[in-house]
Amino acid sequence: EIVLTQSPGTLSLSPGERATLSCRASQSVSSSYLGWYQQKPGQAPRLLIYGASSRATGIPDRFSGSGSGTDFTLTISRLEPEDFAVYYCQQYGSSLWTFGQGTKVEIK
Amino acid sequence: QVQLQESGPGLVKPSGTLSLTCAVSGDSISSPNWWSWVRQPPGKGLEWIGEIYHSGSTNYNPSLKSRVTISVDKSKNQFSLKLNSVTAADTAMYYCAIRYLSKIDPWGQGALVTVSS
Repeated sequence: EIVLTQSPGTLSLSPGERATLSCRASQSVSSSYLGWYQQKPGQAPRLLIYGASSRATGIPDRFSGSGSGTDFTLTISRLEPEDFAVYYCQQYGSSLWTFGQGTKVEIK
Repeated sequence: QVQLQESGPGLVKPSGTLSLTCAVSGDSISSPNWWSWVRQPPGKGLEWIGEIYHSGSTNYNPSLKSRVTISVDKSKNQFSLKLNSVTAADTAMYYCAIRYLSKIDPWGQGALVTVSS
């Protein structure tokens, strides 16, 4: 089973700042099957990025994904008030989906 | 626009069976998607439970495989989750969702299931 480790656990930033979230896999992951999800309190997760770098429908272009192999990054170029949430990376391999433990982006 | 709605008992006794249904609207359960279940214990992260294709093919999380059954009801355009021999560790918000290729989207709003006597 591939384990995804996200860092940092919590990111304290101000609106307008840049957020960089990391997701590291215990072994190489197909970029085609690496995604990022946003979850706000009391809500279901929402797909942001799929295929490591493709934005889902309706996702603002301030969100971008990059990476390959074992290291992937989600970048939020300029934080908006609605972006403060928990972010999860996810991968698929060997008929099994796994999630990272999440990074909380909080208001500083 | 596809919408998913989970339903089922909110309270299950220890050693009992958790049963949830996900009603699908705006799409056919026979479309080329994988119909998925994901859970989230209170205050914790996401755990993928498993998925089913309309043909009946399934993939399950190995950690839950011995206790999980996911099935499709084409006549009702819905799919279901059964998890047996539950314990307090199975208390969680349970989400149904659609997977098409690498995208899990959209998700239902979730159903909170508590395991307690």
